[in-house]
Amino acid sequence: QAVLTQPSSLSASPGASASLTCTLRSGINVGTYRIYWYQQKPGSPPQYLLRYKSDSDKQQGSGVPSRFSGSKDASANAGILLISGLQSEDEGDYYCMTWHSSAWVFGGGTKLTVL
Amino acid sequence: QLQLQESGPGLVKPSETLSLTCTVSGASVGSSSYFWVWIRQPPGKGLEWIGTIYYSGSAYYNPSLKSRVTISVDTSKNQFSLKLNSVTAADTAVYYCARSTAAGSSAFYGMDVWGQGTTVTVSS
Repeated sequence: QAVLTQPSSLSASPGASASLTCTLRSGINVGTYRIYWYQQKPGSPPQYLLRYKSDSDKQQGSGVPSRFSGSKDASANAGILLISGLQSEDEGDYYCMTWHSSAWVFGGGTKLTVL
Repeated sequence: QLQLQESGPGLVKPSETLSLTCTVSGASVGSSSYFWVWIRQPPGKGLEWIGTIYYSGSAYYNPSLKSRVTISVDTSKNQFSLKLNSVTAADTAVYYCARSTAAGSSAFYGMDVWGQGTTVTVSS
């Protein structure tokens, strides 16, 4: 089982909010991990959005709008990227990442469609 | 403004060594404030961390690639490099270099600035 699991796709309407999840493997407690989020558009490198461990340990990427925010759902053992006020430019692939067992590991990515 | 630029051959033969260089501008690879990273992405697939290096030469590698990978840093040229030996078609990917901010001399945050990437194809 992968360390980080993301749904392969998600669709949402312009102006709505989208919640992208990144579920940690059973036995790995999300509470102790920093979760990083990246956005990637076709033909471009990933762009750093933010990292989130707790409300006191988080960072917004440089120039990243505040409508991108991070949180956790302890009951689901998941990190969450919340995008509010969706815009067409938010379409793309979103990857989560964390440091686990002395390695950076990525989720498989979620393709977000705004329609 | 920090910029990273990958360079190297776009085509490598199977069983040979893939060699790439990342040239950094706007920051010093010799700074104790940063670590330097290689990541790759096979066509149509997700991201895979290859390894991370500090100016001191301390390096951390993906266990799945460790036996084939060497990352080095050249402070005189403000560059860091990747060598991956015994390549196969499975190593065909876009290779990215990136920066991580240090959280100490042996700890670091995730990658916050990425290069544009360079495509490497392994084929005879």
